[in-house]
Amino acid sequence: DSGVTQTPKHLITATGQRVTLRCSPRSGDLSVYWYQQSLDQGLQFLIQYYNGEERAKGNILERFSAQQFPDLHSELNLSSLELGDSALYFCASSGGVGFSENYGYTFGSGTRLTVV
Amino acid sequence: DAKTTQPNSMESNEEEPVHLPCNHSTISGTDYIHWYRQLPSQGPEYVIHGLTSNVNNRMASLAIAEDRKSSTLILHRATLRDAAVYYCIRGTSGTYKYIFGTGTRLKVLA
Repeated sequence: DSGVTQTPKHLITATGQRVTLRCSPRSGDLSVYWYQQSLDQGLQFLIQYYNGEERAKGNILERFSAQQFPDLHSELNLSSLELGDSALYFCASSGGVGFSENYGYTFGSGTRLTVV
Repeated sequence: DAKTTQPNSMESNEEEPVHLPCNHSTISGTDYIHWYRQLPSQGPEYVIHGLTSNVNNRMASLAIAEDRKSSTLILHRATLRDAAVYYCIRGTSGTYKYIFGTGTRLKVLA
């Protein structure tokens, strides 16, 4: 157990639908990062939140959005889903704005999204 | 360009040392070298990182070339559990994202 909790572990939904993925960071970590891993694209950075505020955006589609709540958990919302959105979605956390000197980023075990 | 170059795959026998190379010829003076590994069906796991000097921890050793254009992750005694994809990544302290390459898939033979 890495200390980063992601729910649900698996999600199957139809095209056009909307889903919410949840992430609870390691205790004490203020930053949350979302990554998408698909077979043909590898691990792609989507977005980062630090203490409730968006800090950086990567290759995140406009159909996707995220937020970090006062208790520091984060949610990634995916809407108007397409077949190509099927992927593993990972959440990672770190203590500060960037990677932590002693342990880098801590990743969760991911949510596998299948769009049918 | 924040990319690194790694071999696509490597094989090692169990109980033997493994040297995983990484090329980062365009690295800047403030970039750290990070290594993560991803076991099957799991998220990436932090292995080690360094800036200029060689580093050791309980999982592995990191040897960084004097010109910092390359580095090598050393697993001293490979076990079956070490079979994973190993990613070498450049990052600056305080950076907000990693750029993952395709990594090296390590196969450990019993």
